[in-house]
Parts: sequence; structure tokens; C-alpha cells
Amino acid sequence: QVQLVESGGGVVQPGRSLRLSCAASGFPFRSYAMHWVRQAPGKGLEWVAVLSYNGIDKFYADSVKGRFTISRDTSQKTLSLQMDSLRAEDTAVYYCARARDTYYYFGMEVWGQGTTVTVSS
Amino acid sequence: QSVLTQPPSASGTPGQRVTISCSGSSANIGGEYVYWYQQVPGMAPKLLIYRNNQRPSGIPDRFSGSKSGTSASLAISGLRSEDEADYYCALWHDTLNVWVFGGGTKLTVL
Repeated sequence: QVQLVESGGGVVQPGRSLRLSCAASGFPFRSYAMHWVRQAPGKGLEWVAVLSYNGIDKFYADSVKGRFTISRDTSQKTLSLQMDSLRAEDTAVYYCARARDTYYYFGMEVWGQGTTVTVSS
Repeated sequence: QSVLTQPPSASGTPGQRVTISCSGSSANIGGEYVYWYQQVPGMAPKLLIYRNNQRPSGIPDRFSGSKSGTSASLAISGLRSEDEADYYCALWHDTLNVWVFGGGTKLTVL
């Protein structure tokens, strides 16, 4: 069955970096766009980034642009989110989500269980 | 503050029909497909509706979506206790090149 498993979360100091990974299985990873979405404690969903199936089209929320980088390794069926210059406001559960189809404008269809990132000194 | 406005809360009794609104503008809802997600507390979100009114396989027909002008709505009929959750609308904002979520609506089944 379709499965997404996030990893890499943890506690990190402000200004430091963290890399999240999302292992995909049960579907042709190379054929789908992929998203990262986060949820701060007690808050709503916030979209973070999207990457088209071809690894070319990528877009970011203004709140993370220039600090976060989304990428994919088709051979390993893994989606990544490199998070640099982390801030306290980046504290959240981060979800990996598969889009409905190939490009960035397709919404999230299948979600992982999330990984928690806490930015604190 | 999101460009998509949802009521913070809604409620209904078992068996009732409830509607959750998502209000935007001609720059967003007016020209884009709306998605709806359900999030039970402590769980990952789940896709309920895509392309304004399409249900993924496995989603019961008690859930329906619609769009008119610059507003979209999610209707839940035959309300059940397990429908108690947070509901979010979302869309791709073609002008801003970002995905946008509404603020979410907490549905309580009385």
C-alpha cells in the first residue's frame, strides 16, 4: 500500500540546520509531485514546499524561502527537506505528502504520519 | 491571516447536515480548484474532496464539496461522532505561486 514515512526530526538550536527525509513506497515515486506541510503546536496547517515529479519545478512558502530546500532522490524513493537557519517559529510537526499527480499544482493526496521539529536553545 | 477564510468552529448533532464555508476572492477560489482535508486530533490530515467536488475512493458520499463564485463549501450529511475533527480548505494560488490553507474549522458533534 502507499506509504510515506518521515524521519529526521528532533530538537535543534536556533540558527542551526536539520534535514528531514520521507521514505516513499507502494507507488511510482518518480511520477508524483511531493509536498511538505507543517503544523505548529495548536495551530492550523501551513504548506511549506512542493516539488514536481521531474525535480525541476519547486516552490516555497514565503516564511521558509531562502532557508529551506526541497529535493528528491528518485533512485532511493526519498523526499528531503534541508532546513537551515532555523527559528523558533519553525517548531512544528512536518508532514510529507504525495500529490494527486505530477505537477506542483496538484494537491496533497496521501500523507505521512509526521515528524516533530523543535527549535529551542 | 490566510487569504482563505473559514469559520473557526461549527457544530451539529448526530444525523444532521452541517456545512463549512471557505471564502476567498476572484484571485484564488474564483479561478482555482479547492481541496478539503479532515484532521482528527493527533492524526495526519486526510483528503476528503479535490477539484471542488470530487471524492477520492473510500470517502463516503456523506461528504460533498461545492464552489460558487469566490466561496467553497464542504457539506457533511448524516453527521456521526467520528466526524468530529478539524477541516481545512486549500488551493494552489496561481498568482502567488504558493499553496494556501484556510485557517481551519473545528467541528464538534454534540
